[in-house]
Amino acid sequence: EAGVAQSPRYKIIEKRQSVAFWCNPISGHATLYWYQQILGQGPKLLIQFQNNGVVDDSQLPKDRFSAERLKGVDSTLKIQPAKLEDSAVYLCASSLLERESGTQYFGPGTRLTVL
Amino acid sequence: ILNVEQSPQSLHVQEGDSTNFTCSFPSSNFYALHWYRWETAKSPEALFVMTLNGDEKKKGRISATLNTKEGYSYLYIKGSQPEDSATYLCAPAPRTYKYIFGTGTRLKVLA
Repeated sequence: EAGVAQSPRYKIIEKRQSVAFWCNPISGHATLYWYQQILGQGPKLLIQFQNNGVVDDSQLPKDRFSAERLKGVDSTLKIQPAKLEDSAVYLCASSLLERESGTQYFGPGTRLTVL
Repeated sequence: ILNVEQSPQSLHVQEGDSTNFTCSFPSSNFYALHWYRWETAKSPEALFVMTLNGDEKKKGRISATLNTKEGYSYLYIKGSQPEDSATYLCAPAPRTYKYIFGTGTRLKVLA
């Protein structure tokens, strides 16, 4: 079974530039998550999708971050414009069941550096 | 918002040593707890999910226990090997389904 795919793996941009990350979850997983992991901190949930609908985006900085999952499969997370504090690893995860005990399966992440 | 604490933040052990880490969380509003292992440049890997007070899970040399009444979980590694070097994350899941990850314990096993 193929795992969660993410691209790119690494990205370096200057502040005020735009960037987009892509995620393809495990086939059949209805729930998709985007996390931001800043060095020294635990992953923080940015947005959760159930199929192509948003379940939780309470911690997404909506003035600069946006995400979509148009066909309920793959997803894109965008930052526009980027700030220095956006430097982090962006993790995508998917799960079979939207339930507290549902295990999340993670991609390798995209390491973003904003200069 | 759950306050999840993991300790220690980092540790170095010699190959063959046994070690353990702690994940502390508020004992109220709990449904499940997950442990993940995250090796550098790889995907975080699910180790265990535990839901019941007193749960014990084991996977090879790694085991975990859960105490929901006092709000903690222990992860044990017996006979540490260099390949165990990773960051170990715990993630309690409150009834509102939102996982709250701890900051992790970074383990380095020295050969």
